[in-house]
Amino acid sequence: DIQMTQSPSSMSVSLGDTVTITCRASQDVGIYVNWFQQKPGKSPRRMIYRATNLADGVPSRFSGSRSGSDYSLTISSLESEDVADYHCLQYDEYPYTFGAGTKLELK
Amino acid sequence: EVQLVETGGGLVRPGSSLKLSCATSGFTFSNTWMNWVRQAPGKGLEWVALIKDKYSNYEANYAESVKGRFTISRDDSKSRVYLQMNTLRDQDTATYYCTRSFMDAWGQGASVTVSS
Repeated sequence: DIQMTQSPSSMSVSLGDTVTITCRASQDVGIYVNWFQQKPGKSPRRMIYRATNLADGVPSRFSGSRSGSDYSLTISSLESEDVADYHCLQYDEYPYTFGAGTKLELK
Repeated sequence: EVQLVETGGGLVRPGSSLKLSCATSGFTFSNTWMNWVRQAPGKGLEWVALIKDKYSNYEANYAESVKGRFTISRDDSKSRVYLQMNTLRDQDTATYYCTRSFMDAWGQGASVTVSS
C-alpha cells in the first residue's frame, strides 16, 4: 500500500501566520492527491484536488503544491476559521490512503 | 444542491452484521463512483470501499481491513449506495461517511459502535 507520511501531526499557530503541511508519498502518485479540512464534529471538506487545484468555494489563501513525492498545503494569513484538522489523500492506486492528519491549534 | 445522507448506524455486538445506506440527490448518481470512508473515534480517516458505475461494470475495491467482510453495492434506480458489514469487530467502531467520486462531497456520517 502507498503510505502518505503527513507532517507535522500538530501545529501551534497564530492568526496571520503562513502555515504549511506536507505529505510525502511512498510511491509515485502523480497529481492524485487531495487535501481535506475537518472541524470538530463535522464531515471533512475537500479543499484541494489533483494536488494543486482549489476546490469550489475555498478561499484563495489556501494553495496546494507538489515537489517530487512531497505534497504541501499552504494557508496564507491564517484566519480563525482555518483552525481545524487537515488530511491528505492519495487516490492514484487502491487502496486509497490518507495521511495521519495535522491538527492546527491556536497559541 | 448535492446531498448525501447516511442511515443505518447503531450499537451492535462483535460478530454481528449491519447495513448502512446512503441516500443521494442533486447529481447524476448513475454515472458517479461512490466511496465509504470511516473515522474511528479520535483517529484519522480510512478509506473503506469504492464502487464504480455501470460503465465500469460496478467494479468494487476494498481496504484490506474489510475485504471479505464488507460489501459495497448500489441501486441506481434509488440513487443509493450501501455498505453491508458482516462479522463486525471492535476495531470497526467508527463514523462511516458516504462520499462522492473523488471525495468532493460527504455525508454527515453514520456512527457504528461494535461492543459487547
